[in-house]
Amino acid sequence: AQSVTQLGSHVSVSEGALVLLRCNYSSSVPPYLFWYVQYPNQGLQLLLKYTSAATLVKGINGFEAEFKKSETSFHLTKPSAHMSDAAEYFCATYISAGNTPLVFGKGTRLSVIA
Amino acid sequence: GAVVSQHPSRVICKSGTSVKIECRSLDFQATTMFWYRQFPKQSLMLMATSNEGSKATYEQGVEKDKFLINHASLTLSTLTVTSAHPEDSSFYICSAMSGGLTDTQYFGPGTRLTVL
Repeated sequence: AQSVTQLGSHVSVSEGALVLLRCNYSSSVPPYLFWYVQYPNQGLQLLLKYTSAATLVKGINGFEAEFKKSETSFHLTKPSAHMSDAAEYFCATYISAGNTPLVFGKGTRLSVIA
Repeated sequence: GAVVSQHPSRVICKSGTSVKIECRSLDFQATTMFWYRQFPKQSLMLMATSNEGSKATYEQGVEKDKFLINHASLTLSTLTVTSAHPEDSSFYICSAMSGGLTDTQYFGPGTRLTVL
């Protein structure tokens, strides 16, 4: 089964600073990878997804992620943090290929300091 | 993007009562819907997979007689928490997808269940 691991349960950055949220995957086949954001008491919103078309994936709200096979990583970045970016971020992948459920990392809470 | 709604967004009930949560795909047909449970400050835990017109597939440790799932149409799945107890209090989130290997799951806004 495929899985993802998020490094760091909490990341704190200053407003305007670089955001880097880490995700490593474990997969025996080319994975489909996702980043979701969750604001308090809300569902999940898709930020971006990797489906092997391009290694650098651009998402919404200025976020992007780079798929690095050699490092089995799919880290999420944003050049300049905004206060509104404060939320919980989840990396996810399919449990197996096909129309299957997602398996999520444990999540990383991003705090942005003014 | 596709929109998934959940109703109600928040429900408080007494112990022993049953609660029904609806998940609807508003602008696409969802062949598969998933139900997740999320405890405070934790990740999402898959409860069951629901395919239209067939019985739901439950994850290990999830009581199918307690968490009844019905996927009667391509746009609606329901989760009924039967004889709810305080330990069932949680945030329940559904997601829907229309099928296909590279399809995206779209999530509902979640339902906060509090059992007194």
